[in-house]
Amino acid sequence: TAGITQAPTSQILAAGRSMTLRCTQDMRHNAMYWYRQDLGLGLRLIHYSNTAGTTGKGEVPDGYSVSRANTDDFPLTLASAVPSQTSVYFCASSVDAETDTQYFGPGTRLTVL
Amino acid sequence: GQNIDQPTEMTATEGAIVQINCTYQTSGFNGLFWYQQHAGEAPTFLSYNVLDGLEEKGRFSSFLSRSKGYSYLLLKELQMKDSASYLCAVRDGDYKLSFGAGTTVTVRA
Repeated sequence: TAGITQAPTSQILAAGRSMTLRCTQDMRHNAMYWYRQDLGLGLRLIHYSNTAGTTGKGEVPDGYSVSRANTDDFPLTLASAVPSQTSVYFCASSVDAETDTQYFGPGTRLTVL
Repeated sequence: GQNIDQPTEMTATEGAIVQINCTYQTSGFNGLFWYQQHAGEAPTFLSYNVLDGLEEKGRFSSFLSRSKGYSYLLLKELQMKDSASYLCAVRDGDYKLSFGAGTTVTVRA
């Protein structure tokens, strides 16, 4: 079972360039999430989607955008990357937003120079 | 914002018991989760508490007191593979997860 996949595994990006991090789940989960993890700060929610066609802002949404065209895919786009966006990005999903456990993908390590 | 506190680091000996405390102040409460995260890997689900009391799952147990805003994760019969970061997360009134910074547990032989 694939569960949640993320691509790429890692990426080095020049400041000012755009980048889309991909996330796909095959569990037919309704809710999906994007987090960033920085040393000493823990996981912080960037954007979320409770169901296909809807998205919402999390704790740290600035500089990021998302879309949810279908149930399986939830891409995260950095329109113009800055060094402070250097982080490890995790995608997660759950059956629903209110009662179920969130399950995490393997992560993408992004370095912005 | 949400406030979730847990110790930064803990060290214990193989075979021993370690208790990781978590205190929280959040806007609403809809459950508390513990995740395990090995270095360079994704967080994996360990336990969930929504009512007061102790939940036991093999060598791992988790306790919740909602009135005190307090939880702990108890790891028994420690093994070397238990060396990892343990994340406390609270689902708030908006059903969003807020995470603590994590507790790195080192198990020594």
